[in-house]
Amino acid sequence: DAKTTQPPSMDCAEGRAANLPCNHSTISGNEYVYWYRQIHSQGPQYIIHGLKNNETNEMASLIITEDRKSSTLILPHATLRDTAVYYCIVRVAADYQFYFGTGTSLTVIP
Amino acid sequence: NAGVTQTPKFRVLKTGQSMTLLCAQDMNHEYMYWYRQDPGMGLRLIHYSVGEGTTAKGEVPDGYNVSRLKKQNFLLGLESAAPSQTSVYFCASSPNGLAGGLKTQYFGPGTRLLVL
Repeated sequence: DAKTTQPPSMDCAEGRAANLPCNHSTISGNEYVYWYRQIHSQGPQYIIHGLKNNETNEMASLIITEDRKSSTLILPHATLRDTAVYYCIVRVAADYQFYFGTGTSLTVIP
Repeated sequence: NAGVTQTPKFRVLKTGQSMTLLCAQDMNHEYMYWYRQDPGMGLRLIHYSVGEGTTAKGEVPDGYNVSRLKKQNFLLGLESAAPSQTSVYFCASSPNGLAGGLKTQYFGPGTRLLVL
């Protein structure tokens, strides 16, 4: 069973904010939301994670709804180098496994 | 500090041949993982290790074996390769995975395997 649901693809204009949604309606109270991205032919790269509060780092912001059933990854000023597949993952802290779905393919357009 | 490295980068095998993929990390991480990624799909966990001398099965372990004799190395073996094992294989490592879920995985560059 898929733990997360993401749109298969999105486009974003260069310099604009990219907002990538993720639904995780069955998330439990002790599961974190992680975001990774994978640029073509490379290994996945960690972006950000959170439990219930909104988070921000140098790469992105993560907005988690109050009921925690969905979240949005925000890339504030998308560049061409942000073109990648973005994976939303939920996992329990004590769970060693990361379940990657099919992700969202983001294309940043000049 | 090289991070996570994988060898080889690319390999072609014939059906029935065997090979070992090597993953090495220099970050003193306890946890190591092997994933496979098929075209248009996300990563699926094959096996993982929570420390030297330990291994465990992931989502798709059949046809693979692993060993973690040294903390820094995690080997993935294919005893009798099949065309269905054609894929890109990624290794990852992470520090203590129990600390409140705050730790992340660091991935290697991948190994492309083609089984004819």
